[in-house]
Amino acid sequence: SAVISQKPSRDICQRGTSLTIQCQVDSQVTMMFWYRQQPGQSLTLIATANQGSEATYESGFVIDKFPISRPNLTFSTLTVSNMSPEDSSIYLCSVEDFGNTEAFFGQGTRLTVV
Amino acid sequence: SQQGEEDPQALSIQEGENATMNCSYKTSINNLQWYRQNSGRGLVHLILIRSNEREKHSGRLRVTLDTSKKSSSLLITASRAADTASYFCATGQVGGSEKLVFGKGTKLTVNP
Repeated sequence: SAVISQKPSRDICQRGTSLTIQCQVDSQVTMMFWYRQQPGQSLTLIATANQGSEATYESGFVIDKFPISRPNLTFSTLTVSNMSPEDSSIYLCSVEDFGNTEAFFGQGTRLTVV
Repeated sequence: SQQGEEDPQALSIQEGENATMNCSYKTSINNLQWYRQNSGRGLVHLILIRSNEREKHSGRLRVTLDTSKKSSSLLITASRAADTASYFCATGQVGGSEKLVFGKGTKLTVNP
C-alpha cells in the first residue's frame, strides 16, 4: 500500500486568506483525489488531480476556490482560497493505481477558519 | 452526490459483542469498499468486495454484498474497544472513473 504524507495536519487561518495543502506519496500512482469532510459529515469529492493538466472538478467545486496542482505522479497540492468559516473541514488526499481500486488516504488536514 | 446510506447512523455495543453495519446504494457498481476513520483522522481501507462477489472475510471482518438489493453489510465479530470509530462504505461506479462515492457513515462505540 502507498504511504501518503499530507501537510499540514492542522491549521487555524484567518478568513480571507488562503492555505495550500500538500500531498506526497512514496510511489508513483495513477490517480490522486482531494476530498472534503465537513464536521460530522461524510466525504465529498472535490476534484481529481490530473498530472500535467487541469484538475477535474466535481459539481459545486470550482478552480478559483480550490486550485489544484499535480506536477508529477507522486505529488499534489490543494489550495483553499479566500477562506470563510464555512470552509472549516478536514481535507483529505487519496490515491489509487489504475486497475487497483483500493484507495489509500492521507491523515487529513483539519482546517479551522476564524 | 452521496450514493451510500449506512445504517444505523450510530451504534453502541459492549466489548465482545458483534457489530453489524449496513450500506445501501442506488446505482450499478463495480465494487464496494469499507473504510474506518478514527476521530476525524485519515481513512483506513478495510476490505473491498467486487460486484461479482457475495461475501468476503478478513480477520474479524465479514462483508456481504447483495447487488439485487443494492446493499452491503459489514460485520465485526468479537468487538474490541479499539474498534471504536466511524465506518464508511464507498462505491466504485460502473462506467465512471476510479473515484469513489461515500456513504454517510456509522459511528461505532465499543464500550469496555
